[in-house]
Amino acid sequence: SQTIHQWPATLVQPVGSPLSLECTVEGTSNPNLYWYRQAAGRGLQLLFYSVGIGQISSEVPQNLSASRPQDRQFILSSKKLLLSDSGFYLCAWGTYEQYFGPGTRLTVT
Amino acid sequence: GENVEQHPSTLSVQEGDSAVIKCTYSDSASNYFPWYKQELGKRPQLIIDIRSNVGEKKDQRIAVTLNKTAKHFSLHITETQPEDSAVYFCAVDTGTASKLTFGTGTRLQVTL
Repeated sequence: SQTIHQWPATLVQPVGSPLSLECTVEGTSNPNLYWYRQAAGRGLQLLFYSVGIGQISSEVPQNLSASRPQDRQFILSSKKLLLSDSGFYLCAWGTYEQYFGPGTRLTVT
Repeated sequence: GENVEQHPSTLSVQEGDSAVIKCTYSDSASNYFPWYKQELGKRPQLIIDIRSNVGEKKDQRIAVTLNKTAKHFSLHITETQPEDSAVYFCAVDTGTASKLTFGTGTRLQVTL
């Protein structure tokens, strides 16, 4: 069966610091991968998606970037965090049906 | 792009009653419509979905109906229980890389 992992689970970072969140999927090959952000009490905003290694599409212009160095690995990064980057970051995989990872709760102070 | 509207934003029902949440969408080419349940502090979980060649799908106490002509679909929960309390999101596929556009969510509270 397929499993999706995200780490870390929680993170507190100061403004201006870098960020790296990792997502890995097991039990499937060549999945579509997605990064979402959810602000407190809000909906799901798609940030990036990838249909293959090295292929990244951005949905929202911002100070975040994504990379897919391996088939089942998806990384979300930032060089300098802003207060507005705080939120619940969710990785998802799938084709049609999307399945979410456990998420990373990021607080930028 | 796709626009998805979800109503109501909050819904309170008594245990045992039914709950209905409705979503409308704009792109007539959309053909996949999932529903997710998100409990507080947890990840969204896919609870039921429907494709455009089907008008209704049922799974125990939950069902989804689709009206492609009117471009709306609804989630129906019967015999609600306290554990049904959560935020429910509808979504619509955009046809590109299976991307989903999500509704704004409905907070369902089931009271005893």
